Amino acid sequence: GESVGLHLPTLSVQEGDNSIINCAYSNSASDYFIWYKQESGKGPQFIIDIRSNMDKRQGQRVTVLLNKTVKHLSLQIAATQPGDSAVYFCAENQDGSARQLTFGSGTQLTVLP
Amino acid sequence: ETGVTQTPRHLVMGMTNKKSLKCEQHLGHNAMYWYKQSAKKPLELMFVYNFKEQTENNSVPSRFSPECPNSSHLFLHLHTLQPEDSALYLCASSSQGGGVYEQYFGPGTRLTVT
Repeated sequence: GESVGLHLPTLSVQEGDNSIINCAYSNSASDYFIWYKQESGKGPQFIIDIRSNMDKRQGQRVTVLLNKTVKHLSLQIAATQPGDSAVYFCAENQDGSARQLTFGSGTQLTVLP
Repeated sequence: ETGVTQTPRHLVMGMTNKKSLKCEQHLGHNAMYWYKQSAKKPLELMFVYNFKEQTENNSVPSRFSPECPNSSHLFLHLHTLQPEDSALYLCASSSQGGGVYEQYFGPGTRLTVT
């Protein structure tokens, strides 16, 4: 079946550098995408979302880019901090009527001092 | 805090035990979800409730039995589980109106079946 996947399972960056986490999706009909952050011992926490009628959306230190042509989603974190170390999940809504999310397997981001 | 609480946070049970997981949301949402999170696997949707009615059962074994007495509370009753059921069980809630898809998650219950 169609699913959401991540290019890399782990990512290490130096503190202060920018981080880019990538996600590929296969359902061209998906109309909504969301990024979650999950710290150790906690549940997933909403970071930012984007609808399919947009290419880019910015939040505080985070930017999500959507490339519908190649079905690619990315999360950019500016000036990465130690507190950004976590697992990051992308998720998509493949069935607007059901409002359910399909999750990727996650990328572990480690911020190095 | 996300406004979604889960108890207990940790649970160890034998295969013959019966236990229940509890979830409560304080966000005024009308949809609630149970997910299973195993190591190195994507979140697996188990059950969905909209306005207290179950709208999704994602082929979950009958040893997992959900209950939703009202829009704020969700339970997952467990009986005769298997060791492979050991995982983090996450509860989430969302609003079902206005094109909103964002789900708010609780901290999860770490379940170990011995």
